[in-house]
Amino acid sequence: DAGVIQSPRHEVTEMGQEVTLRCKPISGHNSLFWYRQTMMRGLELLIYFNNNVPIDDSGMPEDRFSAKMPNASFSTLKIQPSEPRDSAVYFCASSPRLAGGQETQYFGPGTRLLVL
Amino acid sequence: SQQGEEDPQALSIQEGENATMNCSYKTSINNLQWYRQNSGRGLVHLILIRSNEREKHSGRLRVTLDTSKKSSSLLITASRAADTASYFCATPKAGANSKLTFGKGITLSVRP
Repeated sequence: DAGVIQSPRHEVTEMGQEVTLRCKPISGHNSLFWYRQTMMRGLELLIYFNNNVPIDDSGMPEDRFSAKMPNASFSTLKIQPSEPRDSAVYFCASSPRLAGGQETQYFGPGTRLLVL
Repeated sequence: SQQGEEDPQALSIQEGENATMNCSYKTSINNLQWYRQNSGRGLVHLILIRSNEREKHSGRLRVTLDTSKKSSSLLITASRAADTASYFCATPKAGANSKLTFGKGITLSVRP
C-alpha cells in the first residue's frame, strides 16, 4: 500500500493567499485526521472525519480554516486568507476506524507550509 | 494543556546503550500509544498498551504502564544510530468524541 499521500510536500505563499492542502488516506480506512505541528505548540489535532463526516472540528483555529472530505479517498484543508502564523507542518493521518482513541493512526509525510 | 507530557525533552546516548523515555498523563485512560517521528517525516506508530496491561514488548522496545502513577515508560534496548528520532506518547482525550492527543515529544540522539 502507498500509505497516506499528501500534496504538496512544500508550499511557500504570501500572506493573504489561499492555500489548499490535499490528502489521500489509505484505501479502506474510514477515519481521517488533520494535524498541525509547530515547535511552540507541538502536534495539534485540527479536525477529524469518520466515514467522510466531520466529527470534531474544535481544533480548527479560526474561520479562515476549513476542511472537506467529499469522498472516502480525498480530503482537503484550506486556509483563506493565509497568515504568517499559519506556517507549520500539516499532517494528515488515517485509521481503519474510530476506536475511542485506541485506533492506530497512519501519518502522511506532511506538507511544510511557509507563509511570507 | 497537554494530556501526555514526555520527559526528558531531549536525550543523547551512545550507540549500544539503553534509552528510557517517560510519559505522564493527567486523566484516566484506556490505552496509551507511543509514536516515533524521524526528521522531516510523519509519525509512525510503535506500540499500544492497554490500561489492563503493565508491560508490553515489541522487538527492542519495552513499554510499561503504571495507571496508579499515571505514567508510562518506553525503553529502547541496545540503541542504534537509526533510533535517532523524536518519540511521542499519545493518549485518548476523554469525552463523547474521544480523540488522540500527543505530547510534545522527546528528541533522542544516538551517537555512533
